[in-house]
Amino acid sequence: AQSVTQPDIHITVSEGASLELRCNYSYGATPYLFWYVQSPGQGLQLLLKYFSGDTLVQGIKGFEAEFKRSQSSFNLRKPSVHWSDAAEYFCAVGLMDTGRRALTFGSGTRLQVQP
Amino acid sequence: EAGVTQFPSHSVIEKGQTVTLRCDPISGHDNLYWYRRVMGKEIKFLLHFVKESKQDESGMPNNRFLAERTGGTYSTLKVQPAELEDSGVYFCASSQDQVLQETQYFGPGTRLLVL
Repeated sequence: AQSVTQPDIHITVSEGASLELRCNYSYGATPYLFWYVQSPGQGLQLLLKYFSGDTLVQGIKGFEAEFKRSQSSFNLRKPSVHWSDAAEYFCAVGLMDTGRRALTFGSGTRLQVQP
Repeated sequence: EAGVTQFPSHSVIEKGQTVTLRCDPISGHDNLYWYRRVMGKEIKFLLHFVKESKQDESGMPNNRFLAERTGGTYSTLKVQPAELEDSGVYFCASSQDQVLQETQYFGPGTRLLVL
């Protein structure tokens, strides 16, 4: 069965610093890959997604992610973090070859931003 | 365009009681999904409707959970009788097309606490 690992439960960075959130997946084929963000009191908002093609994906709010097949990773990055980026971030996988629509999520990484 | 809405935002009930959660998808979205996050763990898939039909209910934990989508518009998820381990956040999502590369749009969730 597929799985998604977000090894960092909690990360604290200073405002203006760069950010990288890790995501590794386990799946036999190339999955669809997503990053969602949940701000306090809000629903899950899609930041970006990867289906095929260019392995560097640009998203909203200045985020990007790179798909590395050899490492089974899809890490999320931002060059300069803003205080409003404090939220919980979820990596998710969808399966290309099964026809099922269910997303498999990681356990989330909570980001704190220090002034 | 209105997003996915869920009602109520919070619910506190006692063990053994019944609770019904409602989800209104984005207008025109045939696909509707239920997920839940228990005790800060990963978000897990419960089931998937296409219009009024249950396409995939492999994630439903047991027969205390009943999901319906009469008329193919809004959906309800009833938990009867509720147990302590049902506490968590229940998310609804919707998507438009029967295409694997679709994006699921999430609602804000219903926070359920069973005492």
